[in-house]
Amino acid sequence: GENVEQHPSTLSVQEGDSAVIKCTYSDSASNYFPWYKQELGKRPQLIIDIRSNVGEKKDQRIAVTLNKTAKHFSLHITETQPEDSAVYFCAAHTGANSKLTFGKGITLSVRP
Amino acid sequence: DARVTQTPRDKVTEMGQEVTMRCQPILGHNTVFWYRQTMMQGLELLAYFRNRAPLDDSGMPKDRFSAEMPDATLATLKIQPSEPRDSAVYFCASGLFATGELFFGEGSRLTVL
Repeated sequence: GENVEQHPSTLSVQEGDSAVIKCTYSDSASNYFPWYKQELGKRPQLIIDIRSNVGEKKDQRIAVTLNKTAKHFSLHITETQPEDSAVYFCAAHTGANSKLTFGKGITLSVRP
Repeated sequence: DARVTQTPRDKVTEMGQEVTMRCQPILGHNTVFWYRQTMMQGLELLAYFRNRAPLDDSGMPKDRFSAEMPDATLATLKIQPSEPRDSAVYFCASGLFATGELFFGEGSRLTVL
């Protein structure tokens, strides 16, 4: 089955700096890669996603890049703000069974 | 604004009691997932339904947990008997098989004393 790993498990940045969170996956058949943000006590919410037919997608301050050859994808947050502090989960989706496999999550802290 | 609805939001119970959590998926979605979240384990998949048929419940302790979809508007997760180690937040999520997108409910926080 699919295995998704996130590194590092925690990340602390200064407000205004950029943050990059990386994930690797194992199943080359995976074709959809979403990122979820979970604030304390809240549900995970989809913030951006990318499909395997594109290499990069951007939405205002966040972007996701995909390297299919290396089987990794990354979340980029520019001009970080304190409200970006949360746990971020990456996931990989295999079309065959339409199951999302999540990484363990990374805690991002943005220092004011 | 379509949302996944879960009940109860919070449940405190004593060890040995039966617990039933309910989920109403977004209308039109054909996949439903149950996840358990603890500090140590992240998001742990318990069960997965497609068109109400169970496809994968390998992550669920079979001796005490059961998941069903009696109809397209209701998914249930039952624990009997409950144990303190079951204390966690249980999330239901629904989506479309074709796209893979998942939308989470607000979660049910379970505390077993």
